Amino acid sequence: SAVISQKPSRDICQRGTSLTIQCQVDSQVTMMFWYRQQPGQSLTLIATANQGSEATYESGFVIDKFPISRPNLTFSTLTVSNMSPEDSSIYLCSVGTLDGSDTQYFGPGTRLTVL
Amino acid sequence: EDQVTQSPEALRLQEGESSSLNCSYTVSGLRGLFWYRQDPGKGPEFLFTLYSAGEEKEKERLKATLTKKESFLHITAPKPEDSATYLCAVQVAGTYKYIFGTGTRLKVLA
Repeated sequence: SAVISQKPSRDICQRGTSLTIQCQVDSQVTMMFWYRQQPGQSLTLIATANQGSEATYESGFVIDKFPISRPNLTFSTLTVSNMSPEDSSIYLCSVGTLDGSDTQYFGPGTRLTVL
Repeated sequence: EDQVTQSPEALRLQEGESSSLNCSYTVSGLRGLFWYRQDPGKGPEFLFTLYSAGEEKEKERLKATLTKKESFLHITAPKPEDSATYLCAVQVAGTYKYIFGTGTRLKVLA
């Protein structure tokens, strides 16, 4: 499996501000994904980060709120815009198709608290 | 509607007391079922992938099985270090999308 890192690991932000989360992989990957894990809940897919094109968002998530960049095959960013306390969550990136299978491998996550 | 349900929500076992976790699913088409372990403050760690009914995978004290409607994660003679949340996810056929269950929080007491 690949080594996946995320920055920052945690942050505390004020309402109305924005935070950009970075995801770096140590090898080139085809698929990168962003998930949200709210307190006490499971993982929900936000979007698929497509290299060289716009991200594909899941129902309930919009580009204006969660803009995503994917400039190359090893890096992606997720921005949480105009934050409110309801955005407090763990944000996780994952990568897929490392070994030809459909298995996704996850980064360590970014714990975001919005005051 | 595609859905994944895990039970029980929480489970406390004595060290050495074997048990099973359940993951039942309803999807329009199943491409694969995945088990992960998640420790507090960390991202999910991959355990198993299952693709077809009847398939089984084993790793140390863990064995995962799959039927047409559900999957089981059997834990044999667990140790305290097996304490974690175990997540099940299904991949819908024709997509890369995973749908996760809410997990089972396992606590193994010494």
